[in-house]
Amino acid sequence: GEDVEQSLFLSVREGDSSVINCTYTDSSSTYLYWYKQEPGAGLQLLTYIFSNMDMKQDQRLTVLLNKKDKHLSLRIADTQTGDSAIYFCAERRTTSGTYKYIFGTGTRLKVLA
Amino acid sequence: KAGVTQTPRYLIKTRGQQVTLSCSPISGHRSVSWYQQTPGQGLQFLFEYFSETQRNKGNFPGRFSGRQFSNSRSEMNVSTLELGDSALYLCASSLPPSPEAFFGQGTRLTVV
Repeated sequence: GEDVEQSLFLSVREGDSSVINCTYTDSSSTYLYWYKQEPGAGLQLLTYIFSNMDMKQDQRLTVLLNKKDKHLSLRIADTQTGDSAIYFCAERRTTSGTYKYIFGTGTRLKVLA
Repeated sequence: KAGVTQTPRYLIKTRGQQVTLSCSPISGHRSVSWYQQTPGQGLQFLFEYFSETQRNKGNFPGRFSGRQFSNSRSEMNVSTLELGDSALYLCASSLPPSPEAFFGQGTRLTVV
């Protein structure tokens, strides 16, 4: 099917690391993304990874990609209360030379002070 | 550099009415995609426009339509509104083949 799956909730203590997981479905997807959505706001692009990479690090964010298992994860180091939000993973699928983004259900991250 | 601008931010309409939402992409971006976000269905792809042409369409009824102008601004229209059309409508702007897609703040449509 088209579903990109994520766990619904994650709660961590401030200063700890957070790991948000995602399982996607299309092995031919060339790019995989992480977006952040705060209440009442749109989607903020956090980072993305090309499908031939295993890992990408960007400041506090580390993305790991296991293409064999179609598993993507986002690790946030030193999680802060401002990181509380919903995190969406997405895959970019190509169809007839164009593409669309398929989003996961979102993981609500709650950071406890 | 201005981001993606969606107007209006909030809208309340009555069943049976129609509505037009607007999206101005980042300057220089030529692709605009639209998504519907609801608590039950999550984020679902509506359609994508590139250089005034619809290149891709999601699985939505014909009541949902859109267009793109020569300045890349895009509008989407929903006719004969139903209660189930209440959602946050998001547009994304990109410049293919760059992989980055940036979203606007969305238009929250409430149908009563």
